Amino acid sequence: GESVGLHLPTLSVQEGDNSIINCAYSNSASDYFIWYKQESGKGPQFIIDIRSNMDKRQGQRVTVLLNKTVKHLSLQIAATQPGDSAVYFCAEGGGYNKLIFGAGTRLAVHP
Amino acid sequence: EAQVTQNPRYLITVTGKKLTVTCSQNMNHEYMSWYRQDPGLGLRQIYYSMNVEVTDKGDVPEGYKVSRKEKRNFPLILESPSPNQTSLYFCASRYRQGYEQYFGPGTRLTVT
Repeated sequence: GESVGLHLPTLSVQEGDNSIINCAYSNSASDYFIWYKQESGKGPQFIIDIRSNMDKRQGQRVTVLLNKTVKHLSLQIAATQPGDSAVYFCAEGGGYNKLIFGAGTRLAVHP
Repeated sequence: EAQVTQNPRYLITVTGKKLTVTCSQNMNHEYMSWYRQDPGLGLRQIYYSMNVEVTDKGDVPEGYKVSRKEKRNFPLILESPSPNQTSLYFCASRYRQGYEQYFGPGTRLTVT
């Protein structure tokens, strides 16, 4: 498969545990934030987004928290499964089609 | 099936030999973008297009060209590829309103 990053920070979790992936963003004026999942050999896949006027948003097994005071974003995955193993990217956006991606975090789920 | 397709998926070429990577989407999306992905640097936007005949530079446009003659297609052109353009390239598209971008499967380019 394609290598998306040989030296990414890695979060290792046990199957069934909750995972928390963190991201610091740079622009306090960003309008929205997105989490993407990228499996080996594939393009990034949209997981969830959150507008800058929100603090929390929940999806299926995932929750995104936004702390604008410290410019911090987190993705919580409940009951992590082997299929959740991937690289996770946060992205911040504002205006037109401008997205700035973070470097990514690798999530490794162990049985 | 709604998708973004890219061709070729893998390409090895030599410095200076012009090449085109095609991108096509079947979702009638207005916005299309090209990104490159390099280890430790995440995804960086090369060019984007808000609609037919409307394109603009992203963060790393040097050495690349694009065109948007049809809504569904957004080819990436490297007029004179150099080794520093060796990378993994992704095309993406989305509706004008909305944040969810759909990414293609990627094109691995090696320039020797």
